Amino acid sequence: GQSLEQPSEVTAVEGAIVQMNCTYQTSGFYGLSWYQQHDGGAPTFLSYNALDGLEETGRFSSFLSRSDSYGYLLLQELQMKDSASYFCAVREVRAAGNKLTFGGGTRVLVKP
Amino acid sequence: KAGVTQTPRYLIKTRGQQVTLSCSPISGHRSVSWYQQTPGQGLQFLFEYFSETQRNKGNFPGRFSGRQFSNSRSEMNVSTLELGDSALYLCASSLNRGLIANTGELFFGEGSRLTVL
Repeated sequence: GQSLEQPSEVTAVEGAIVQMNCTYQTSGFYGLSWYQQHDGGAPTFLSYNALDGLEETGRFSSFLSRSDSYGYLLLQELQMKDSASYFCAVREVRAAGNKLTFGGGTRVLVKP
Repeated sequence: KAGVTQTPRYLIKTRGQQVTLSCSPISGHRSVSWYQQTPGQGLQFLFEYFSETQRNKGNFPGRFSGRQFSNSRSEMNVSTLELGDSALYLCASSLNRGLIANTGELFFGEGSRLTVL
């Protein structure tokens, strides 16, 4: 099976940097995806890492270390609108298609 | 381009009843997946349909079923509802990419919030 662990909650102030960790245990691995979900909203795709290293998209960066089975999502210059839940996810290796296993999510609360 | 549309958005049922939820994917997306989201269990995969065939299945009882039509629209059905079925049911569509090119990018709808009394 596959399992992903994420801290449940992080609180930070506007303008700060927050890092959300994700450790995974999988039988096979393609890559790590990240999603954002605002309360009452749909999850939206943020990023994907297949190889070790850092991927940057604006204020968001995602990092992967395959040898450590670990990744993180970094949010810089935090804004109030970044208050949301953030999920990491892996894709089932033994099947084609889109069977994703999600972590429990990290709820980020941004304070003024 | 229109996003993923799910109907109904909210519904209330009683134990023992059955429910059908509908999902219209983004135009051109032939893969449709369903997820159940609850505070206790998080996001859990139900099943995925591609070209009217179930391609992947999660660990849910047979009371949960689905289908996909030729226009890629999908429905899921839950029979003999239980209190524990109260959840947000999310539909997601995606392009069908190869194993390596697949980034796990799904486009989710707003969900159907089911309350079972």
